[in-house]
This record gives sequence, C-alpha cells and structure tokens, in this order.
Amino acid sequence: DAGVIQSPRHEVTEMGQEVTLRCKPISGHNSLFWYRQTMMRGLELLIYFNNNVPIDDSGMPEDRFSAKMPNASFSTLKIQPSEPRDSAVYFCASSFQGARKGYTFGSGTRLTVV
Amino acid sequence: GESVGLHLPTLSVQEGDNSIINCAYSNSASDYFIWYKQESGKGPQFIIDIRSNMDKRQGQRVTVLLNKTVKHLSLQIAATQPGDSAVYFCAESPGNKLTFGGGTRVLVKP
Repeated sequence: DAGVIQSPRHEVTEMGQEVTLRCKPISGHNSLFWYRQTMMRGLELLIYFNNNVPIDDSGMPEDRFSAKMPNASFSTLKIQPSEPRDSAVYFCASSFQGARKGYTFGSGTRLTVV
Repeated sequence: GESVGLHLPTLSVQEGDNSIINCAYSNSASDYFIWYKQESGKGPQFIIDIRSNMDKRQGQRVTVLLNKTVKHLSLQIAATQPGDSAVYFCAESPGNKLTFGGGTRVLVKP
C-alpha cells in the first residue's frame, strides 16, 4: 500500500496566484481530511469528507479556500487568490469509518506564498 | 512535506530511560484519543489509541493512560531510543473528527 499520496511536495507561488493541492487517499478509506500545520496554530482541521461528501468545512479559513472530492480516490484543496499568510504545511489524511480508526497522513505539501 | 518548526515544549531524555509525555484535552464529550508521532519531513504517524471506556492500553514499548476525571492523557515510552526523537501529538475525538493538541518535542540524548 502506497499510503496517502500528496502532490506537490513543495510549492512556491506568488501572492495572488491560484494554488491547487492534491491528495490520493488509501484505497478503501471512506473519510478524507485536510489539515493545515503552522508554527502559530499547530495542526488545524480545514475540512473533511465522508463518502466523497463534505461533512464539516467549518475550519476553512475563508472563501479563498475550497475543497473538492470528485471521487473516492482523489481530492483537491484550492486557494485562490493565495496570500503570504497561507504559507504552511498542508496535510491530507484518510481513514475508514471516520476518526474511530485513526487517520493515516500523507507526507504533506509545504506551501510558500511570496 | 515537512513538519513545521513549532516552538514546542521539549522533553530531553537519556537513551534507555523511560519517557512520559503529557496532554490535557479540553472536550469532556471526547470518547476516543490517539497519540501521533511526527518526524522531521513526514506526516503524523499513528502510535496508539484508547477509548474512553479504558484507563490504560499497552502497545509495543508504549503505554497510554487516560484519566477522564481530570481530562488528562499520557504516553509512556519504555527504553527510549534515538529513533523516538520526534514531535508527539495527542488528539481527541467526540465524533467523526480529531482535534490535535499542540505537541511535545522529544529529544533523545545518546
């Protein structure tokens, strides 16, 4: 099993540009979570999906952030337009049956907005 | 991906000694708890979990203790090894999502 796969591993972009982060969950997992990790705020849940349906997006900071899960094997987190304060490591995690079995995290995408 | 250089509480421990990492959780409705380990350049990795109907659970070299009365969770690592150097997070769940604590950095001295 290749685990949760995130791409790109690193992204450097200019302020105002659109950024798209990608995630492929573990096959068979039916829950997917997007987290952001920063020095100031630690690990924050942005949004999670069950069976490809967004369940809770209360952690999405503002309308510039959007997430989709068009099928069980792919999800995207988009930031448009990006700002320097969006710089962080973004993690995707997947699990079976929600959080009850714990999550498997990807290696993350380090985003730098200059 | 990489872990961010958080300004974290740090536990320095001599190789071979036991480590105890503590965590206070906030939600009295949480009934499921997990400890994660995050090494530099990697995502958090599941270590051990415990449900609220238990006070203690043991794994390989790790033990998690849960005190629901004071909302306290601890992780004990026996015979700490250099490979245990990492940031450790506790996480709590009252339902379908996990909320993470701030983390503790463990440094193992040879």
